[in-house]
Amino acid sequence: DAKTTQPTSMDCAEGRAANLPCNHSTISGNEYVYWYRQIHSQGPQYIIHGLKNNETNEMASLIITEDRKSSTLILPHATLRDTAVYYCIGSGAGSYQLTFGKGTKLSVIP
Amino acid sequence: DVKVTQSSRYLVKRTGEKVFLECVQDMDHENMFWYRQDPGLGLRLIYFSYDVKMKEKGDIPEGYSVSREKKERFSLILESASTNQTSMYLCASSSNRRDFYEQYFGPGTRLTVT
Repeated sequence: DAKTTQPTSMDCAEGRAANLPCNHSTISGNEYVYWYRQIHSQGPQYIIHGLKNNETNEMASLIITEDRKSSTLILPHATLRDTAVYYCIGSGAGSYQLTFGKGTKLSVIP
Repeated sequence: DVKVTQSSRYLVKRTGEKVFLECVQDMDHENMFWYRQDPGLGLRLIYFSYDVKMKEKGDIPEGYSVSREKKERFSLILESASTNQTSMYLCASSSNRRDFYEQYFGPGTRLTVT
């Protein structure tokens, strides 16, 4: 599995875009990048995933660099409900489980 | 929307008791998972099931068993609960029609064994 590195914490003003970076320099060519988040005392929530093209869904956008060594999750208009720990994960060939690192604690401030 | 429900949010059991945790998903997903989450240890896979009556051990299966008699339901059984099984238990499901790692989680069961 790719080792991922994320900042420990970030703040974002409500209504502004939240840009959460992730480094995954050891990611292999067929390994996807997944983003999950976990709001306090709830189960993790799937957000988005991608291989090499940028992806967008109703929750977020995912920008993956051309060399695939890093990516950025973008929440276009952060709300207080987006306050959570965000995890960037490599899918890992042959592994059944999701391996969450420490993630980034995003605090959205009014 | 995918809905994964778990039988209890909070549970308190005594050492030695047999404990059943139930999980139900309503999206016809083939794969179902049981994880436990502990501070500093992250999410760890206990068991997963890729079909009815089929199961695979995860990283920490000792002290646990599972049952999947119907596609929508996956049960985790603690044969004889111990204090080191106090934890948050999370059930998840995913579909082979979409992506194995696109997993949808339930709200979790916080189990305390005294």
